Amino acid sequence: LAKTTQPISMDSYEGQEVNITCSHNNIATNDYITWYQQFPSQGPRFIIQGYKTKVTNEVASLFIPADRKSSTLSLPRVSLSDTAVYYCLVGGNTGGFKTIFGAGTRLFVKA
Amino acid sequence: ETGVTQTPRHLVMGMTNKKSLKCEQHLGHNAMYWYKQSAKKPLELMFVYSLEERVENNSVPSRFSPECPNSSHLFLHLHTLQPEDSALYLCASSLDRGLYEQYFGPGTRLTVT
Repeated sequence: LAKTTQPISMDSYEGQEVNITCSHNNIATNDYITWYQQFPSQGPRFIIQGYKTKVTNEVASLFIPADRKSSTLSLPRVSLSDTAVYYCLVGGNTGGFKTIFGAGTRLFVKA
Repeated sequence: ETGVTQTPRHLVMGMTNKKSLKCEQHLGHNAMYWYKQSAKKPLELMFVYSLEERVENNSVPSRFSPECPNSSHLFLHLHTLQPEDSALYLCASSLDRGLYEQYFGPGTRLTVT
């Protein structure tokens, strides 16, 4: 089961691009990388998922290098409402997918 | 609106009480989950149900008893809880187990006195 490591917290200002990196050195061949966002006293919300290279959707991009030992969530032009905790998860379908949330990264967006 | 509802939103109970948390999803999903989130701690996966069958129990004390009568409803029965069980209890569902996106409910804030 791949373990993930993320920075505990990050600060940014409105309008900036924010990149949050997650390390997962023991990622398995069948593992995918998934990111969730959580606001205080709410359940997490799915942001993006990828296996390799780059994935982009309407809210974020996910960059995964060739060795897949890390991944970077990129949030373009953040706003105050992007202040939240961001979780990186690694897992696959083989043997049952284990949803293990780490401590996450607390992002503070300032005006 | 995530399509996953939880009731009650807040619950205060004594250690000798028996209560139940309810989760309902109208998304047509086959998998449902219970998570616990204590203050300043990561989310902890408690139980996983797939097609109404419990497929995962992550060493949860027996004072927590899940029930999944059908694919749309999930309950967490609570009895003789401890103060350290005070936490936010989150329900989630997904199309199936595996890589599918999980949709979370708003949670029940439980306080054990």
